[in-house]
Amino acid sequence: DVKVTQSSRYLVKRTGEKVFLECVQDMDHENMFWYRQDPGLGLRLIYFSYDVKMKEKGDIPEGYSVSREKKERFSLILESASTNQTSMYLCASRPDRRFTYNEQFFGPGTRLTVL
Amino acid sequence: EDQVTQSPEALRLQEGESSSLNCSYTVSGLRGLFWYRQDPGKGPEFLFTLYSAGEEKEKERLKATLTKKESFLHITAPKPEDSATYLCAVQAEGYQAGTALIFGKGTTLSVSS
Repeated sequence: DVKVTQSSRYLVKRTGEKVFLECVQDMDHENMFWYRQDPGLGLRLIYFSYDVKMKEKGDIPEGYSVSREKKERFSLILESASTNQTSMYLCASRPDRRFTYNEQFFGPGTRLTVL
Repeated sequence: EDQVTQSPEALRLQEGESSSLNCSYTVSGLRGLFWYRQDPGKGPEFLFTLYSAGEEKEKERLKATLTKKESFLHITAPKPEDSATYLCAVQAEGYQAGTALIFGKGTTLSVSS
């Protein structure tokens, strides 16, 4: 079974702090994704990565950056946390984009609260 | 603009009362349509992938179908444990180089005994 893990289930940070959210997958997937999920807005794509050291902006990248130094790990960074970044953050992975019809597998999510 | 719309937003059923959830989409070049189940406070769990109009897939009490404009998730004789939010997503050629998914906002299903 594919397993996607996220470093924290719940996180509370203060405004202005630098925040790191970690995601690890164990299936050698090339593609990895970060979403945020908010009531009434659904899942929105923040950033994704085709492979190691590659990154692409999603629909709402402002205020975020990412890092992919190893194939299995994809990190989301909030450079200076703000209250409007309070949300549920979901990481997902899937095989190489050449296999165009593969589903994404999600981690359990990190509920981030910024005070 | 690529778009995915789910209806209804919420659905309340009695145990055993069958019904359907709708996912309508407007995308350029559909590559696949995906259904996920999400329990409160958890990540989405993959259910089905549909690739072309006319395709159907089944899993226990769930059956997913696809036409050129929409997909239905039919729930037959639901049980309380089927209560969850059901998410529909599409993979489109014109969105993020055909790699990422566009999600609908979900239908929250509540089944009472």
